[in-house]
Amino acid sequence: DQQVKQNSPSLSVQEGRISILNCDYTNSMFDYFLWYKKYPAEGPTFLISISSIKDKNEDGRFTVFLNKSAKHLSLHIVPSQPGDSAVYFCAASGGSNYKLTFGKGTLLTVNP
Amino acid sequence: DVKVTQSSRYLVKRTGEKVFLECVQDMDHENMFWYRQDPGLGLRLIYFSYDVKMKEKGDIPEGYSVSREKKERFSLILESASTNQTSMYLCASRGRGAEQYFGPGTRLTVT
Repeated sequence: DQQVKQNSPSLSVQEGRISILNCDYTNSMFDYFLWYKKYPAEGPTFLISISSIKDKNEDGRFTVFLNKSAKHLSLHIVPSQPGDSAVYFCAASGGSNYKLTFGKGTLLTVNP
Repeated sequence: DVKVTQSSRYLVKRTGEKVFLECVQDMDHENMFWYRQDPGLGLRLIYFSYDVKMKEKGDIPEGYSVSREKKERFSLILESASTNQTSMYLCASRGRGAEQYFGPGTRLTVT
């Protein structure tokens, strides 16, 4: 049973345009959400996070939006750059659990 | 800067061999994790440890064991490697926040 879902396996965007990556979750106990970026043959790197008490968090070109009622979050990258091409994982945690639950990832390709 | 290192980037082992994957972190983090990443399956948690000598099973612990004798080191052991354990293995550590910091990964091939 997948508690964190990234329904788009891949996304292709032109350089300079906006990239929007989506993530849905089912577990109401999740209260903290993270996005990771992963290049091939490297470990994931933390990108940005958001607590359930917020609906938006911004860091430079990256903004994460959280819609708790819809159990949905999205990552916006503006403007997209070719170096952003990578797999993006959405992850969630909740309660006193140390664990992160990851989605299956979305491959973003930014075309020059 | 946060640093998690893994003993090997690439490893090739034969079926039935005992395999050790080592992970070291230098952040004095209490929590450490082992994941495997497979195409189309995302990151799946194998085991985690919240303190020295403490461990808990993750979502896919079968065929694996772990050891944490020192705070900075977390080892993943494949008791008898099988071809379905060919994968990318990722170690992570976590401090006070929810963020986990990952090592570079070990690409293990079992033939």
